[in-house]
Amino acid sequence: RKEVEQDPGPFNVPEGATVAFNCTYSNSASQSFFWYRQDCRKEPKLLMSVYSSGNEDGRFTAQLNRASQYISLLIRDSKLSDSATYLCVVIGSNDYKLSFGAGTTVTVRA
Amino acid sequence: EAQVTQNPRYLITVTGKKLTVTCSQNMNHEYMSWYRQDPGLGLRQIYYSMNVEVTDKGDVPEGYKVSRKEKRNFPLILESPSPNQTSLYFCASSSLIKTGETQYFGPGTRLLVL
Repeated sequence: RKEVEQDPGPFNVPEGATVAFNCTYSNSASQSFFWYRQDCRKEPKLLMSVYSSGNEDGRFTAQLNRASQYISLLIRDSKLSDSATYLCVVIGSNDYKLSFGAGTTVTVRA
Repeated sequence: EAQVTQNPRYLITVTGKKLTVTCSQNMNHEYMSWYRQDPGLGLRQIYYSMNVEVTDKGDVPEGYKVSRKEKRNFPLILESPSPNQTSLYFCASSSLIKTGETQYFGPGTRLLVL
């Protein structure tokens, strides 16, 4: 089983729609969680960290469910510029190894 | 400007011909790492380094070597490249304390091994 798994999508949504997707992780001792964004095979860039209590950054909301071992990302009022691949990243508790999911592709259409 | 640079950006080589991909950062980061990205598999960590002369294996270290003789540089060495090492490679750096939160990635190196 992969350490981090994501629904690859693609999620095709119209502008203004809400889209949400999850990422599951296998190591229950994982401590740190993040969402990165990657445009068309360019370098990934940090979108937001995921905190235990959940957190928002503008139209983006991230949540962590430790009991079920998944994190989620919700995008409200989707913009064309939100079209990208979203990568889930998990860091274990005992080392500095980063585990990336394969990414969820979101396409926002006009 | 804070950045991570990689060279070369594109490389076509033949099986068995040793090559080195350089990575340099100007942010005085302790942590540096190498990833490869393949369709459907996402980014997989090859090696990482927590400081000068401190390196450790990631998930897919076979066929690769690294060294960290200076804080700013973290070259990736393929002693005898094979076609299954054809991939998109990213170098990244961060402060040690915020390893995941502030990973700065280089622009990527596209490698084709014939």
